[in-house]
Amino acid sequence: GNSVTQMEGPVTLSEEAFLTINCTYTATGYPSLFWYVQYPGEGLQLLLKATKADDKGSNKGFEATYRKETTSFHLEKGSVQVSDSAVYFCALSELGSNYKLTFGKGTLLTVNP
Amino acid sequence: NAGVTQTPKFRVLKTGQSMTLLCAQDMNHEYMYWYRQDPGMGLRLIHYSVGEGTTAKGEVPDGYNVSRLKKQNFLLGLESAAPSQTSVYFCASMRTGEDEQYFGPGTRLTVT
Repeated sequence: GNSVTQMEGPVTLSEEAFLTINCTYTATGYPSLFWYVQYPGEGLQLLLKATKADDKGSNKGFEATYRKETTSFHLEKGSVQVSDSAVYFCALSELGSNYKLTFGKGTLLTVNP
Repeated sequence: NAGVTQTPKFRVLKTGQSMTLLCAQDMNHEYMYWYRQDPGMGLRLIHYSVGEGTTAKGEVPDGYNVSRLKKQNFLLGLESAAPSQTSVYFCASMRTGEDEQYFGPGTRLTVT
């Protein structure tokens, strides 16, 4: 079956620091890959996605590249802000599975001023 | 356009009680999903629906039932609540032909 493994947290950074959250996956087919973000007390929001190898998803300064050869989709941001403090989830879905999302366990990011 | 809404936002149940969580979406989406979120576990799929009148089991369906009588609503039922069902429940919907799911704000359920 499908699975997603992401970096264990929590991660604590100072404002303007560089962020990397690692994510690797196992899939039976050719999945789409996602990063969702959950701000405190809220539901999940799509942050970015990529649907094929070498695609780069980007949004709000965050980026992730779909690497089929390493089955990875690492999230990066060059300069984090306090407002980026949230839980980040890596996930995948496949057409053949009715687009059911398989999530990683989530990484809590705290950014201090 | 409210997106995906969930009712109630919070609930406390005693073991053995029953309840129904309501998910509603106004985007005319075909697909709807119920997930539960537990600390250190990420989100896990309980049940899903690919259209009005259809439902299917997800990864953790035991102890839950669902119904999709109307396209815009997806109900999650607990017939006899157990402490292991203490969790935050999220509903999501998705349009046919796309792969982005839109999530509701969640329902925090505590079973004592």
